[in-house]
Amino acid sequence: EDQVTQSPEALRLQEGESSSLNCSYTVSGLRGLFWYRQDPGKGPEFLFTLYSAGEEKEKERLKATLTKKESFLHITAPKPEDSATYLCAVQVYGGATNKLIFGTGTLLAVQP
Amino acid sequence: KAGVTQTPRYLIKTRGQQVTLSCSPISGHRSVSWYQQTPGQGLQFLFEYFSETQRNKGNFPGRFSGRQFSNSRSEMNVSTLELGDSALYLCASSLEGSYNEQFFGPGTRLTVL
Repeated sequence: EDQVTQSPEALRLQEGESSSLNCSYTVSGLRGLFWYRQDPGKGPEFLFTLYSAGEEKEKERLKATLTKKESFLHITAPKPEDSATYLCAVQVYGGATNKLIFGTGTLLAVQP
Repeated sequence: KAGVTQTPRYLIKTRGQQVTLSCSPISGHRSVSWYQQTPGQGLQFLFEYFSETQRNKGNFPGRFSGRQFSNSRSEMNVSTLELGDSALYLCASSLEGSYNEQFFGPGTRLTVL
């Protein structure tokens, strides 16, 4: 069964304290991996797409990497405004259809 | 550039009723996907429409259906509502589909009593 697992469930950091969020997946037919940020009461906001192992993408304090079994979202010197739930999702190809499977997210709190 | 809009934002229904939710994508986007978000199950994919055709479908019962119009606006319908259908329903649009660079709307909060 296709599965996406995110860890930790929650993470509390001090401002400036770098860390990484993990997204591990067990799927067949991986077509892409996506990272989103979701603020309370809002829909997810697209961050990155990764397609192949070894690929890296960066945006401001965020850097996403991908291996054959997992992806990491590295947060460098976070600020309080980086507080949000971070979701990863995997696009799986199965026969004639593609579907998107989301992890349950990591709730990040950055304290000043 | 206007974002994805969803109406209504909040809805209260009773068991057994049906409901229709609406989603207007970003201008020029041809793909619309629908998702259900609950505290217990997280975000779950319902279906994707592209150029008025359902292109992909998640693992939801037939009570959940949708359609897309020629202007790319989409509607989602849930018939015979159950308590477990209470959730935030999100739609997302993208230019060409394949889930890349999806822009999400604010969602419709459905409560089933």
